Amino acid sequence: GAGVSQSPRYKVAKRGQDVALRCDPISGHVSLFWYQQALGQGPEFLTYFQNEAQLDKSGLPSDRFFAERPEGSVSTLKIQRTQQEDSAVYLCASSPDSSSSPLHFGNGTRLTVT
Amino acid sequence: GNSVTQMEGPVTLSEEAFLTINCTYTATGYPSLFWYVQYPGEGLQLLLKATKADDKGSNKGFEATYRKETTSFHLEKGSVQVSDSAVYFCALRGGSEKLVFGKGTKLTVNP
Repeated sequence: GAGVSQSPRYKVAKRGQDVALRCDPISGHVSLFWYQQALGQGPEFLTYFQNEAQLDKSGLPSDRFFAERPEGSVSTLKIQRTQQEDSAVYLCASSPDSSSSPLHFGNGTRLTVT
Repeated sequence: GNSVTQMEGPVTLSEEAFLTINCTYTATGYPSLFWYVQYPGEGLQLLLKATKADDKGSNKGFEATYRKETTSFHLEKGSVQVSDSAVYFCALRGGSEKLVFGKGTKLTVNP
């Protein structure tokens, strides 16, 4: 497809379970970002890749959060031992390599931890 | 660090009213500025952008001008429609690459 694709669209996890969220960026986009959006809030930055290199992971809230992009295309955000405060929409975005380019967002994965 | 402050909502208007959503920013260097829109049940979409001072971004009747002297990027539309009901996010992207968002302003337009 032409846009950023995320799966699953919805995920319900019991507290303590591990989850993996997938992002397929727009073909050819060098940069890939993960954001967390709590209900009624703006998206908060989690981490950023340029190709396969993770250049900034300053937004990851704890060492339970891990992201990878091993071949510089598809990315996975993994959350270990999920907690209720992890419930949010996780957004993936991609862009060409210019810092003036807008980010193109996927529809997100809504994670609910029960 | 870079930050964005936008007016708190919610904003409720009647159809054909004039819209202004204020946005100011703090940044080092010369960031690019964006407005994103999130319609109910949908993902974030780029509405408009401006990459340097005095640039005006426009799309779908919306406009915003990059004002370096006032560090502002206010969103305006002369005549809103019911279909404009959504959450609007001001954002900036500077040399650090990541996009920094404001908290969002929910707009409801009544017929």
